[in-house]
Amino acid sequence: GENVEQHPSTLSVQEGDSAVIKCTYSDSASNYFPWYKQELGKRPQLIIDIRSNVGEKKDQRIAVTLNKTAKHFSLHITETQPEDSAVYFCAASGAWSGYNKLIFGAGTRLAVHP
Amino acid sequence: GAVVSQHPSWVICKSGTSVKIECRSLDFQATTMFWYRQFPKQSLMLMATSNEGSKATYEQGVEKDKFLINHASLTLSTLTVTSAHPEDSSFYICSAGLGTASREQYFGPGTRLTVT
Repeated sequence: GENVEQHPSTLSVQEGDSAVIKCTYSDSASNYFPWYKQELGKRPQLIIDIRSNVGEKKDQRIAVTLNKTAKHFSLHITETQPEDSAVYFCAASGAWSGYNKLIFGAGTRLAVHP
Repeated sequence: GAVVSQHPSWVICKSGTSVKIECRSLDFQATTMFWYRQFPKQSLMLMATSNEGSKATYEQGVEKDKFLINHASLTLSTLTVTSAHPEDSSFYICSAGLGTASREQYFGPGTRLTVT
């Protein structure tokens, strides 16, 4: 089955710096890659996603890049702010089962220091 | 936007009892819902895929007789933890999608289960 690896597990940056989180996936049939932000005790919130027919997508301070050949995708956050502090999860999805289920990475705990 | 609710938000039960958790899509119909379990400081682990009108599909290692899933309508899926034990204590989260054409999944707020 699909396996998603995520690095780093923790990331500490100064306010205003950029943060990059990387994920790799194993199944070349995966074709949808969302990123979720989860604050403590709360539900995961979709922040950006990318499909396999696109190499890059940007939404204000957040961008995601996808390299299908290497089977990896990355989340880029620029001009980080303290409110960006949270756990970020990447995920991969494909029609392996016909239901588009998501397989999550282990998560990255991002801390943005003022 | 698509809203998913869960009830209860937290529950404490005694070992050996059963607990039912409800997941509802409030403003859309969800043919498929997903159930996840999340232990502290860990990732979301998919437990099962819940399909309206048919049996759930369980992930490897998840006991279907212990975690009963019922998807009775297009807006409601339930997860029943039967004969709960302390090791079942966890954060249980459901999600729902708008359909195969839309890949986005929307998560419920989660249910924190504590088994004493």
